[in-house]
Amino acid sequence: QVQLQQWGAGLLKPSETLSLTCAVYGGSFSGYYWSWIRQPPGKGLEWIGNINHSGGTNYNPSLESRVTISVDTSKNQFSLKLRSVTAADTAVYYCAREGWGGTPGYYYYYMDVWGKGTTVTVSS
Amino acid sequence: QTVVTQEPSLTVSPGGTVTLTCASSTGAVTSGYYPNWFQQKPGQAPRALIYSTSNKHSWTPARFSGSLLGGKAALTLSGVQPEDEAEYYCLLYYDGGQRVFGGGTKLTVL
Repeated sequence: QVQLQQWGAGLLKPSETLSLTCAVYGGSFSGYYWSWIRQPPGKGLEWIGNINHSGGTNYNPSLESRVTISVDTSKNQFSLKLRSVTAADTAVYYCAREGWGGTPGYYYYYMDVWGKGTTVTVSS
Repeated sequence: QTVVTQEPSLTVSPGGTVTLTCASSTGAVTSGYYPNWFQQKPGQAPRALIYSTSNKHSWTPARFSGSLLGGKAALTLSGVQPEDEAEYYCLLYYDGGQRVFGGGTKLTVL
């Protein structure tokens, strides 16, 4: 059974860099996309971006200038860095697994396994 | 910027049926947006329910179903249980590898 374990600094000052890591246990690392999602207090989910095992990435255009997602296949881990944080970046950050499959004419995409979340607070 | 819209809140009686919808600012939602649905309870991570419009995960209760309805993705709960009270989010896939979550629907069972 695949599990995602995430960690990182929970309290940052404005202008610092947020850094989180997510480790994948109990399943294959290749053949999937690995995503980061965040949720500000009392608000909805926001997709930040994802990466595959080869290092191919997709980013939310609203965050792309400040975000880097990287992968370490030797450790089955992927990481998020968000630069120049402000109070607006205060949120619970989740990592998640994305899969896909199918045949020509019918494809499917899913986001099925999630980490427990890491609370990140940005405050001076 | 693409916006995905859901009903902010809905109320349903126990044992009743309710349909939540998910609309895209780009136009009609089709199967090519691969709609996913998630349930989130307070203090918990989201839990996947439906993927690619109507496919259930192995853990998804039978009372949950997904479809396309009037140009929107839809999640229907039939025979609602008290434990279904939660926030529900849809996720749509767009060209260029983009994913966008809806704003969420708070479902109250009353």
